Amino acid sequence: QQQVKQSPQSLIVQKGGISIINCAYENTAFDYFPWYQQFPGKGPALLIAIRPDVSEKKEGRFTISFNKSAKQFSLHIMDSQPGDSATYFCAASTGETSGSRLTFGEGTQLTVNP
Amino acid sequence: DVKVTQSSRYLVKRTGEKVFLECVQDMDHENMFWYRQDPGLGLRLIYFSYDVKMKEKGDIPEGYSVSREKKERFSLILESASTNQTSMYLCASSLDGSRKTQYFGPGTRLLVL
Repeated sequence: QQQVKQSPQSLIVQKGGISIINCAYENTAFDYFPWYQQFPGKGPALLIAIRPDVSEKKEGRFTISFNKSAKQFSLHIMDSQPGDSATYFCAASTGETSGSRLTFGEGTQLTVNP
Repeated sequence: DVKVTQSSRYLVKRTGEKVFLECVQDMDHENMFWYRQDPGLGLRLIYFSYDVKMKEKGDIPEGYSVSREKKERFSLILESASTNQTSMYLCASSLDGSRKTQYFGPGTRLLVL
């Protein structure tokens, strides 16, 4: 079963707009929530991550908002650029020290039009 | 610079063939992972390994096996390829410990005819 649900599946935004991708999780043992970015022909790469002891984390134009009570987190891309066009995956993991396996969402294909 | 390499970018195999996908990392990472990526399904974990000769099943291990004889190398084996195993296969590695970044290879696109 999919323990991390991601929406929307695809998103089209105009240059300069705000892109918002949402994820919801079920497992309350999750305590680490990274986002990965994947360009065509490449493997995913870590973009930004958050721990549940904070409600927001910002790195440049990318912000994660986290709502622990609702078991939801989202990625906001401010001033979206055509170079941000990629597939974005949210993920979650528990705090076990071995393995560090991630559970990924379904992915969102973002297109930023010039 | 961190590097995960996969033996092939594209593979075409016939139903029933035994298929080997190889992954090598040069970062001395303890953990290695095999995922398959399908549209609308995200990345699904097939198997992972947290040490040499150690392996654990992921969410979709059926039809696959793995081998990790050396720390830097993790192989995915399709014992008898089937058409429903046509997919993008991604290998990743990470240091041990919680909340560690996974570093991905470029992927192998496998077509089973």
